[in-house]
Amino acid sequence: GAGVSQSPRYKVAKRGQDVALRCDPISGHVSLFWYQQALGQGPEFLTYFQNEAQLDKSGLPSDRFFAERPEGSVSTLKIQRTQQEDSAVYLCASSLGPERPQHFGDGTRLSIL
Amino acid sequence: QKEVEQNSGPLSVPEGAIASLNCTYSDRGSQSFFWYRQYSGKSPELIMFIYSNGDKEDGRFTAQLNKASQYVSLLIRDSQPSDSATYLCAVKRLWGGGADGLTFGKGTHLIIQP
Repeated sequence: GAGVSQSPRYKVAKRGQDVALRCDPISGHVSLFWYQQALGQGPEFLTYFQNEAQLDKSGLPSDRFFAERPEGSVSTLKIQRTQQEDSAVYLCASSLGPERPQHFGDGTRLSIL
Repeated sequence: QKEVEQNSGPLSVPEGAIASLNCTYSDRGSQSFFWYRQYSGKSPELIMFIYSNGDKEDGRFTAQLNKASQYVSLLIRDSQPSDSATYLCAVKRLWGGGADGLTFGKGTHLIIQP
């Protein structure tokens, strides 16, 4: 498709489990961003990739959160030992460059039981 | 202190009227400004972006930026029921300034009354 694709759309996990969320950006977009959106809030920045390089991970809330983009296209956000406070919608966005407008995927709604 | 402030609303506007959405930001290093529309349960959709002081028009939408006052607004003319959504204001510093992502406000919930 032409847009940012995220999978799965919904993920339910038990507290303590590890989860992996996938993002397939728009073709040709070198910049990729991950955001976390809690209910009733705006998205909060997590991390940023320029091609395969992770240039900013200042928004990752703890060392349980890890992101990668090994070939400069698809990215995976991994959360280890999930906690209830990790429940949120995780949004991926991509852009032609760091200063260009970002286009969002439909997100993954993560629920931790 | 929240870096990007928006009135959460709801803001109720009659169909056909002008909806005015406002946003203030605290970081004077902000250089790029974006408005996203988000329907319930959906992802944010880019509506407008503006980089320079003044007005920028695109169809029924006008973005206004005043960097001296640290204020950005979005006007929606001839409001339609389909415009009912949450509107998110987002700002960005210069790339590499240690803040590479967008900083969002909480959003304003807009309701267009038929």
